[in-house]
Amino acid sequence: NAGVIQTPRHKVTGKGQEATLWCEPISGHSAVFWYRQTIVQGLEFLTYFRNQAPIDDSGMPKERFSAQMPNQSHSTLKIQSTQPQDSAVYLCASSLDVGAYAETLYFGSGTRLTVL
Amino acid sequence: QQKVQQSPESLTVSEGAMASLNCTFSDRSSDNFRWYRQHSGKGLEVLVSIFSDGEKEEGSFTAHLNRASLHVFLHIREPQPSDSALYLCAVSIGPSGSWQLIFGSGTQLTVMP
Repeated sequence: NAGVIQTPRHKVTGKGQEATLWCEPISGHSAVFWYRQTIVQGLEFLTYFRNQAPIDDSGMPKERFSAQMPNQSHSTLKIQSTQPQDSAVYLCASSLDVGAYAETLYFGSGTRLTVL
Repeated sequence: QQKVQQSPESLTVSEGAMASLNCTFSDRSSDNFRWYRQHSGKGLEVLVSIFSDGEKEEGSFTAHLNRASLHVFLHIREPQPSDSALYLCAVSIGPSGSWQLIFGSGTQLTVMP
């Protein structure tokens, strides 16, 4: 079991460019989560999917950020027109399910996004 | 809205000395608490999960939950330098139809050889 895989590990973009981050959850896990981590804000919830369906995107900035899960083996987080304040480590996590919200989240190593 | 705070921000202990980390939360109706740690440049590793008042031990890690006082502690027995990391407390909230994991800002633990 390779765990949650995130690519790329590091991404540098210029202001205004688009960034796409990839996540491959643990095989068999039905729930996928995206978090953002900065020194100032700590870990912030962005969005999550259950059985590929978007369930809660209350943490997503309404403009420029979008997340998709086209199949059970990967999810993407896309940031359009990146800004310096988007610089952060973006973490993806998966869990077997969230039905009883007692499932453990397993995190990937994250993608460090730097917007110049 | 559940708020999670951790103290101290940083802690230095000698190898083999007990390390104790504190986490406070604002909504005692939560019943799902996790401790994670994060080594520099790495993802989060779950250490121990606790769902009811009392203690839960996983290896050298013991979580102690007291919802009446809104505290959940993590005790690390005989820490090693390899235990130096950022320790994060997380509380689940699960209103109907949704689910989130709220994290504290972490305690940076340094274990000196």
